[in-house]
Amino acid sequence: EVQLVESGGGLVKPGGSLRLSCAASGFTFSNAWMSWVRQAPGKGLEWVGRIKSKTDGGTTDFAVPVKGRFTISRDDSKDTLYLQMNSLKTEDTAVYYCTTWGVDYWGQGTLVTVSS
Amino acid sequence: DIVMTQTPLSSPVTLGQPASISCRSSQSLVDSDGNTYLNWLQQRPGQPPRLLIYEISKRFSGVPDRFSGSGAGTDFTLKISRVEPEDVGVYYCMQATQFRTFGQGTKVEIK
Repeated sequence: EVQLVESGGGLVKPGGSLRLSCAASGFTFSNAWMSWVRQAPGKGLEWVGRIKSKTDGGTTDFAVPVKGRFTISRDDSKDTLYLQMNSLKTEDTAVYYCTTWGVDYWGQGTLVTVSS
Repeated sequence: DIVMTQTPLSSPVTLGQPASISCRSSQSLVDSDGNTYLNWLQQRPGQPPRLLIYEISKRFSGVPDRFSGSGAGTDFTLKISRVEPEDVGVYYCMQATQFRTFGQGTKVEIK
């Protein structure tokens, strides 16, 4: 059974940084392309970014609102995906979901609140 | 960016009756490999989204056959043949041809 478990959310001040983690199991993580999607409170879904598998180059792509501020990385030895968020803004407040890429499995999400 | 537009945004339905949601994309979702990557997601209250339908009409594992998807090119439809209480929630179309973009969501509630 595919499982994705996000962690690392919390309250951070504007301009601050936070790193989210996503622990994966139930599939061969090293072969998988992975993604982050967010959902602001009471709002719809917004794609954040993607990372390819290392065998496919390991490159990343990001949505315009987060480009240059967020990075995605992976540790295939730990079956873990990361989202490093820098220069956070109040509009980054959302539940952040980790998903597989292709047939999209979703984690439960972790809440990030950016507020002074 | 591909823009996804859903209608209606709210759909009050009677239990046991059908429901239908439309989704239109701003450009064709046919990929260079010939496949059309249009998915439907369900988000029940307080839950994360889950995949219902992928590539227009393929039901994901465990999805009841009362859910069906159809369409082509830029116009797509999700149908629920007979709405049950556990179908209450928000439904999103999502294009997966060019990264990911989502429709605004359609809230399905019981009359």
